[in-house]
Amino acid sequence: AQSVTQLDSQVPVFEEAPVELRCNYSSSVSVYLFWYVQYPNQGLQLLLKYLSGSTLVKGINGFEAEFNKSQTSFHLRKPSVHISDTAEYFCAVSGFNAGGTSYGKLTFGQGTILTVHP
Amino acid sequence: DGGITQSPKYLFRKEGQNVTLSCEQNLNHDAMYWYRQDPGQGLRLIYYSQIVNDFQKGDIAEGYSVSREKKESFPLTVTSAQKNPTAFYLCASSTPFGGGVNTGELFFGEGSRLTVL
Repeated sequence: AQSVTQLDSQVPVFEEAPVELRCNYSSSVSVYLFWYVQYPNQGLQLLLKYLSGSTLVKGINGFEAEFNKSQTSFHLRKPSVHISDTAEYFCAVSGFNAGGTSYGKLTFGQGTILTVHP
Repeated sequence: DGGITQSPKYLFRKEGQNVTLSCEQNLNHDAMYWYRQDPGQGLRLIYYSQIVNDFQKGDIAEGYSVSREKKESFPLTVTSAQKNPTAFYLCASSTPFGGGVNTGELFFGEGSRLTVL
């Protein structure tokens, strides 16, 4: 079983400031990691994912995240935010077996609402 | 373009009425999912289906029903037994379960907002 904790429910920042959205997880098996973004009244869109390899993952819209296995974290960062980044962000994990195949269900965090002020 | 289509986008119903939300995908994905979203509660899994004519309950299946008669379609019925049906409902699908490496990555529709008056 897995669980995901997003440490901040709301993060307000000013435009052009850096931002970090924190995500910690727990799992009894190895995991794949994802960040999704949701704009109001829309579905979720994949920002980035960590499957294997380099622990620093770059995604769309200038976002990046770093997988830290020892701290079981996958924090999302952006060096300079825009008004258009205002949205809700979800961290998610998927456990996988020895063959690398997911057990099939993503576990989501509670979400972090990022509000960018002018 | 390939994707997931949910309809209707907005739906209003009176208490005690059943409603059915449509979800269609043309991504050739085997697995499909229904999630419910309430403010501050993240996404909660209602039902999922990994193959045609088979589906499993998620974490909050009570008061909901589904069918999977075709690979492309996974409709959700919100029954009168669901005590608090007003919510945003999201349908998703994932990469072919039987072939290649399935990472669990989900592809989402645009959602349906149900309001019960």
